[in-house]
Amino acid sequence: NAGVTQTPKFQVLKTGQSMTLQCAQDMNHNSMYWYRQDPGMGLRLIYYSASEGTTDKGEVPNGYNVSRLNKREFSLRLESAAPSQTSVYFCASSEPTGRHPNTEAFFGQGTRLTVV
Amino acid sequence: LAKTTQPISMDSYEGQEVNITCSHNNIATNDYITWYQQFPSQGPRFIIQGYKTKVTNEVASLFIPADRKSSTLSLPRVSLSDTAVYYCLVAGMDSSYKLIFGSGTRLLVRP
Repeated sequence: NAGVTQTPKFQVLKTGQSMTLQCAQDMNHNSMYWYRQDPGMGLRLIYYSASEGTTDKGEVPNGYNVSRLNKREFSLRLESAAPSQTSVYFCASSEPTGRHPNTEAFFGQGTRLTVV
Repeated sequence: LAKTTQPISMDSYEGQEVNITCSHNNIATNDYITWYQQFPSQGPRFIIQGYKTKVTNEVASLFIPADRKSSTLSLPRVSLSDTAVYYCLVAGMDSSYKLIFGSGTRLLVRP
């Protein structure tokens, strides 16, 4: 049981290049999230998807786009990478349920992205 | 969205009980309080969740007063391996289950 899988684990981009970070979960969760974590800082929500077919902005969405391809997969795209986007990116999934929500999210191992 | 406030850092010694308090004055009626632990170079890991009063599991206890404007994560008899960052989150149906992490509390456990 893999849980949440992110690819790639490491990436170096040049300023202006584009790339897509991939995330897949095998827990049949409805909700998926993308976060970034800068050195020594907390996690900041970029985008999230409450269910298949829906996406919504988080705290820091500028410079990013997302696609909820299906229930399993949620990708994050950087159209024109900037040095300020150098960070560790985490994908997560959860299964909130009604009046007694499960706010237990499961995280991937992260993608370390450097933009030079 | 309810904003949370935690101490930036705490120090402790092995074997001691550690209590980390989180303030969430604007918590909504349907929000739950959740704590996560994060080790360096890893994603956060769920520790415990509660709505009111006290919740205990094999890892920690969570104390929530009646007004729910704060909560306390209690780690009994910490060890060196409990050195990590601890995050308090408030989320639920009213916030569409957006999981917003604050800056967290860096706990250092000394020998």
